[in-house]
Amino acid sequence: LAKTTQPISMDSYEGQEVNITCSHNNIATNDYITWYQQFPSQGPRFIIQGYKTKVTNEVASLFIPADRKSSTLSLPRVSLSDTAVYYCLVGGGKDTGRRALTFGSGTRLQVQP
Amino acid sequence: GAVVSQHPSWVICKSGTSVKIECRSLDFQATTMFWYRQFPKQSLMLMATSNEGSKATYEQGVEKDKFLINHASLTLSTLTVTSAHPEDSSFYICSAGLRGRTAYNEQFFGPGTRLTVL
Repeated sequence: LAKTTQPISMDSYEGQEVNITCSHNNIATNDYITWYQQFPSQGPRFIIQGYKTKVTNEVASLFIPADRKSSTLSLPRVSLSDTAVYYCLVGGGKDTGRRALTFGSGTRLQVQP
Repeated sequence: GAVVSQHPSWVICKSGTSVKIECRSLDFQATTMFWYRQFPKQSLMLMATSNEGSKATYEQGVEKDKFLINHASLTLSTLTVTSAHPEDSSFYICSAGLRGRTAYNEQFFGPGTRLTVL
């Protein structure tokens, strides 16, 4: 599995857009990029997944450049409830929902009022 | 969506006792479940892969005789911490992937079990 590098922590204020970038220089051709969110004392929760270009859902957008060596999770207009740890994962190929995930250190986002 | 539950959500036990943690997939079948451990302020670390009807696969450094895993059905995996000691105190999380679901990295995580060994 490709190794990922994220900032350890980020601070923001309510209403701002937050962009968290993840580096994955050794991403393989069939790897997908997935982001999870974890609140204290809870299991991780799936946020978004993509392979290339841009993916958007009701909570976030994921930007992936053409070389796919990095990705950026964008959270629009964050609120206090977005304070959490965000993990970027890179996994290989099909049927990876049934494969173990390797979590990096994650990014601890603190949203201030 | 797919839901994974864990029981208990927290447990406190005395040193030397055994504790069983259950992980259930509530609305889907999971041939494979995963057990992770998370210490405070740290990331999740994979402990073992639980396969329905066969032996679990343990990660390096995880004692299989101490962390017993049983995956007797397609919806239930259990982790038993035997002869627990204070250093086993941690947050234990299970996950499962949808059976037959392809091309996605999505797994569904349980809410976790906080184990405190006195």
